[in-house]
Amino acid sequence: DQQVKQNSPSLSVQEGRISILNCDYTNSMFDYFLWYKKYPAEGPTFLISISSIKDKNEDGRFTVFLNKSAKHLSLHIVPSQPGDSAVYFCAASPVPPYSGAGSYQLTFGKGTKLSVIP
Amino acid sequence: DGGITQSPKYLFRKEGQNVTLSCEQNLNHDAMYWYRQDPGQGLRLIYYSQIVNDFQKGDIAEGYSVSREKKESFPLTVTSAQKNPTAFYLCASRTLYNEQFFGPGTRLTVL
Repeated sequence: DQQVKQNSPSLSVQEGRISILNCDYTNSMFDYFLWYKKYPAEGPTFLISISSIKDKNEDGRFTVFLNKSAKHLSLHIVPSQPGDSAVYFCAASPVPPYSGAGSYQLTFGKGTKLSVIP
Repeated sequence: DGGITQSPKYLFRKEGQNVTLSCEQNLNHDAMYWYRQDPGQGLRLIYYSQIVNDFQKGDIAEGYSVSREKKESFPLTVTSAQKNPTAFYLCASRTLYNEQFFGPGTRLTVL
């Protein structure tokens, strides 16, 4: 049973436009969400995170939105650049930062491959 | 320069052999993790360790073993009992923010 779902395996966007990557989750215990970017044959790189007490977090061109009632989060990249072309993974944890307890396991989605076309 | 290193980058194994993948971190993180990635799949947790001399099975631990004798090191052994070991293996360590930082990965191929 997939607890974190990224239903779009791939996405193509024109350079300069907005990229929107979506992620749905089923476990209502998830409390903390992260986005990772991965190039082929490399380890994932942490991009941005959001705690369930917030509905938006921004970092430069990257913004993550969380809709707890819909169990949905999205990553917006604007403007998109060719260097953003990579696989993006959504991850979720039942344990918030600094909680001092829990297994801190992350559950990952299967990823969305983003291609930004020059 | 802090980070996570994994070696080797590429590893070839004959059927029936055990192989050990190395993971070292100098970030002073207590928790470390091993994941496996297959094509078109997300990252699946093999083993994790919250602290030295302690480790727990993840979702797909069968055919793997680990040790955690030092804070900096968390080696993974892929045993002959692992029926489909060809994959990309990723090691990670965790910050207090519950962000996991990953090493560059080891690609294991069974000949």
